[in-house]
Amino acid sequence: KAGVTQTPRYLIKTRGQQVTLSCSPISGHRSVSWYQQTPGQGLQFLFEYFSETQRNKGNFPGRFSGRQFSNSRSEMNVSTLELGDSALYLCASSLHGTGNQPQHFGDGTRLSIL
Amino acid sequence: GENVEQHPSTLSVQEGDSAVIKCTYSDSASNYFPWYKQELGKRPQLIIDIRSNVGEKKDQRIAVTLNKTAKHFSLHITETQPEDSAVYFCAAPTGYSSASKIIFGSGTRLSIRP
Repeated sequence: KAGVTQTPRYLIKTRGQQVTLSCSPISGHRSVSWYQQTPGQGLQFLFEYFSETQRNKGNFPGRFSGRQFSNSRSEMNVSTLELGDSALYLCASSLHGTGNQPQHFGDGTRLSIL
Repeated sequence: GENVEQHPSTLSVQEGDSAVIKCTYSDSASNYFPWYKQELGKRPQLIIDIRSNVGEKKDQRIAVTLNKTAKHFSLHITETQPEDSAVYFCAAPTGYSSASKIIFGSGTRLSIRP
């Protein structure tokens, strides 16, 4: 089975722009979660999607949004980019959800804001 | 509130010695406790997990113990080796179902001294 695939791997944007990141989960996995990782800040939960619906949400501003398609692929969008949005964005998939099942992470998208 | 505290934030041990990382959680309904290892520049990967119906689980040099009364769980690594150097994250859900949100600890940077 192919693992979790994230595209692109690297992205450079400027302040004020918007960006869309993509995540393809492991085949058969219906839950996709997104995390922001910055040095010293660990894994900050953004949101989880299951069956095309946002099921859980972290404490991030509304500039961060996402969606999930019928094939479970997910996209994350960040609008009006700020310097502080520079981070590694990881997505993870699991069969039915994160509450009682392991997650499988992708390699991440490293976003740099100039 | 939702919280997972992880200690210590950094840990340095001599090769061959043991390492212990401890996490505490706040939601008494939590019943699934995974540990992830993230090597430098790589994705987090599940190394071991435990469910609330057992108090201990072992996998070769790695073990996890759970104390539901005290709401804490610990990762034990014996006979440490250089390849154990990484950041370790614990996690706990805010409920008992697959739909529950998972909260990660802040991470422990483990260094193995030769």
